[in-house]
Amino acid sequence: GAGVSQSPSNKVTEKGKDVELRCDPISGHTALYWYRQRLGQGLEFLIYFQGNSAPDKSGLPSDRFSAERTGESVSTLTIQRTQQEDSAVYLCASSSRGMKGNTEAFFGQGTRLTVV
Amino acid sequence: AQSVTQPDIHITVSEGASLELRCNYSYGATPYLFWYVQSPGQGLQLLLKYFSGDTLVQGIKGFEAEFKRSQSSFNLRKPSVHWSDAAEYFCAVGGGSYIPTFGRGTSLIVHP
Repeated sequence: GAGVSQSPSNKVTEKGKDVELRCDPISGHTALYWYRQRLGQGLEFLIYFQGNSAPDKSGLPSDRFSAERTGESVSTLTIQRTQQEDSAVYLCASSSRGMKGNTEAFFGQGTRLTVV
Repeated sequence: AQSVTQPDIHITVSEGASLELRCNYSYGATPYLFWYVQSPGQGLQLLLKYFSGDTLVQGIKGFEAEFKRSQSSFNLRKPSVHWSDAAEYFCAVGGGSYIPTFGRGTSLIVHP
């Protein structure tokens, strides 16, 4: 597609349920990032995928969070046993691989997750 | 490790006034620097970026930013703010890793 697409745009879930968030990156972009943005906060890095390399999971806050990506296509972020503190906007971005840090990241519109 | 500080959480300006949003970074070598804007309910859109060369970079929507190595700063400026510029602005740094590091953001409020 023309841009990064995320679904759903909004998700309300009950505490303790599992949720799955989807990200469809720009075609041809080998790098994919997930960030979390809590209300009034900056962007918190969660996980980074690059091609078929092992993902950088250093930002995942707990073992309830996991993410997958098949090749250079769609990624899903799964949160198990959701807690109220998981309420946030989850942003996905993709970029073409370049030297460290020198490529622009293109962002989706985010998924607003509300845990009640 | 690289880091970014945006010291102002909120900035309020009148429409037509000039604007400067501050950004300080920490990184040992020459950084790659970005400014993004996030309008309500939207994702982040790149305003401008600095990789090398001229330290004054021009971006979209009339924004510019100046890289000052001696001050470790990359402040965003606009000579005359429009009401549609009200948004959240994020500074980001790259270079130390493939993962850009973002500041906490500055919320711009524009009064008519």
